Amino acid sequence: AQSVSQHNHHVILSEAASLELGCNYSYGGTVNLFWYVQYPGQHLQLLLKYFSGDPLVKGIKGFEAEFIKSKFSFNLRKPSVQWSDTAEYFCAVISLEYGKLTFGQGTILTVHP
Amino acid sequence: DAGVTQSPTHLIKTRGQQVTLRCSPKSGHDTVSWYQQALGQGPQFIFQYYEEEERQRGNFPDRFSGHQFPNYSSELNVNALLLGDSALYLCASSETEGNEQFFGPGTRLTVL
Repeated sequence: AQSVSQHNHHVILSEAASLELGCNYSYGGTVNLFWYVQYPGQHLQLLLKYFSGDPLVKGIKGFEAEFIKSKFSFNLRKPSVQWSDTAEYFCAVISLEYGKLTFGQGTILTVHP
Repeated sequence: DAGVTQSPTHLIKTRGQQVTLRCSPKSGHDTVSWYQQALGQGPQFIFQYYEEEERQRGNFPDRFSGHQFPNYSSELNVNALLLGDSALYLCASSETEGNEQFFGPGTRLTVL
């Protein structure tokens, strides 16, 4: 069975600080990888996705993520966070074999102005 | 273009009752998945429907069942409700199985 682990439950940063949220998954086959974000009072929306090709993918709002296959990791980064990035971030993985989207437990990001 | 819609927004039931939640997928999408999100946790996959059949299922008991209609909309039914069924139930739609899933706002179910 596949599983997804997010390293931090709650991250607190000041505006302009750099962000890196860790995500590791356990599954050895072919996977598609996603980062979703849930802003306060809103529903889940896609930040970025990786299917194949360049392992460094860019998403909306200046976010990017790097897929490192050898480490089963898909870490999310942003060079300079803003107060509006305050939200909960979920890493998710779907194996093409099992077809089930599996989420991590989420990381709450709080950005102080 | 309407995204994924779900109804109702909130629901309060008592233990032992049955509940039906509804979902309309994003236009052009034919695959619908349901998730349960307990407080402080990530969404947990319940099942997925495609061409009116359950195609994948997560680790949920048979009390959780579903249906997909010819117009691709879907229902989630939960029988014999338990207190632990209290959660946010999310519906997501996609064009194909492994593609990006678009999520609805969810239905908040409270079981008393």
